[in-house]
Amino acid sequence: GAVVSQHPSWVICKSGTSVKIECRSLDFQATTMFWYRQFPKQSLMLMATSNEGSKATYEQGVEKDKFLINHASLTLSTLTVTSAHPEDSSFYICSARTGRSSYNSPLHFGNGTRLTVT
Amino acid sequence: TQLLEQSPQFLSIQEGENLTVYCNSSSVFSSLQWYRQEPGEGPVLLVTVVTGGEVKKLKRLTFQFGDARKDSSLHITAAQPGDTGLYLCAEPQGGSEKLVFGKGMKLTVNP
Repeated sequence: GAVVSQHPSWVICKSGTSVKIECRSLDFQATTMFWYRQFPKQSLMLMATSNEGSKATYEQGVEKDKFLINHASLTLSTLTVTSAHPEDSSFYICSARTGRSSYNSPLHFGNGTRLTVT
Repeated sequence: TQLLEQSPQFLSIQEGENLTVYCNSSSVFSSLQWYRQEPGEGPVLLVTVVTGGEVKKLKRLTFQFGDARKDSSLHITAAQPGDTGLYLCAEPQGGSEKLVFGKGMKLTVNP
């Protein structure tokens, strides 16, 4: 089956530093990837849609200058949390669709990255 | 943005019991997906329902889509500890590629 890999699975950083999270589709190409954030005991909130070769589309309330997204190839999207603060501590999850783009096609998720900012 | 309401939000039961979790909306779903998420992992798709009145079964899990496509339910028969997790319903936002998730139902099945 389709595999989406995230790296790192967890990271601890100091306040003010930047952290890069990678999301790779291992056995398929993904022109579109999605980045979600999940706070403890809460659901997934879509942050942005990452488009290969073009700018990401951010959801309302998500700071594009703080959460930099780069989708440089059909198998890799990166999310960089710049100048991280403790309130950015969360579980970040990426996802991608296989095959032809369709809202009914399965969305495959990575295993997430647990970010803790101290 | 369509709001998805899930109930109950938390459930702790003993092994062997049955349970049902609901997902409702004030608007008509174009389609609905159910996911299960275990702690520290990403969600995994269980099923997609598209047609009103549709019923799908996945081993001990039975998924129903309301006739009016405004509600859906997930019924688990004879729950096992391995069923423990967060059950999420999700719907494409405005027919787009973006998924909107409900708040989820955290299930704990005690041995």
